[in-house]
Amino acid sequence: GAGVSQSPRYKVAKRGQDVALRCDPISGHVSLFWYQQALGQGPEFLTYFQNEAQLDKSGLPSDRFFAERPEGSVSTLKIQRTQQEDSAVYLCASSDRELGEQYFGPGTRLTVT
Amino acid sequence: LAKTTQPISMDSYEGQEVNITCSHNNIATNDYITWYQQFPSQGPRFIIQGYKTKVTNEVASLFIPADRKSSTLSLPRVSLSDTAVYYCLVGDRGVDTGRRALTFGSGTRLQVQP
Repeated sequence: GAGVSQSPRYKVAKRGQDVALRCDPISGHVSLFWYQQALGQGPEFLTYFQNEAQLDKSGLPSDRFFAERPEGSVSTLKIQRTQQEDSAVYLCASSDRELGEQYFGPGTRLTVT
Repeated sequence: LAKTTQPISMDSYEGQEVNITCSHNNIATNDYITWYQQFPSQGPRFIIQGYKTKVTNEVASLFIPADRKSSTLSLPRVSLSDTAVYYCLVGDRGVDTGRRALTFGSGTRLQVQP
């Protein structure tokens, strides 16, 4: 596909479970971003990769959040021991270094019960 | 990063022109103004970007006065499909723009009625 894809689109987890959210960026895009969007709010930055290097993780809310991009393409956001406050839409975006515009995926809606 | 202020919501009717104004009093010399659009259950989508005066593309126009402390996104002849949240962002669009996290506010919810 031509765009950013994310899976699953919806995830329901019981409190305390671990979850893994996947992002497939646009092929060839060097930069990859994760954002968290709470209901009724704008997206908030979580972390940023340039190729396989995680250059900025200042937005990760706790050490329960972990992201990786081992081969510089697909990325996984993992949340351990999920809490109710983790319920949100998790958005992935990628960008071409030259053009700079970020292209967003449809997001994964996580609901923690 | 410059803080932005925009209306929480707006209502319009099909066929009307909609203008959404964003205030950014502390905009820096190197900052550009960018607008994103977000439909329900989708990620934000880039609409338009500008530095000063006026920028127009096939979707919208962006008006920026000389002092750059505000900007206005203009959507001509809106349709029902323009119902979305519109975000105004201000940031340095330097060489590293593709590497820079975006800072979104709460946006403006535009509701277009038939």
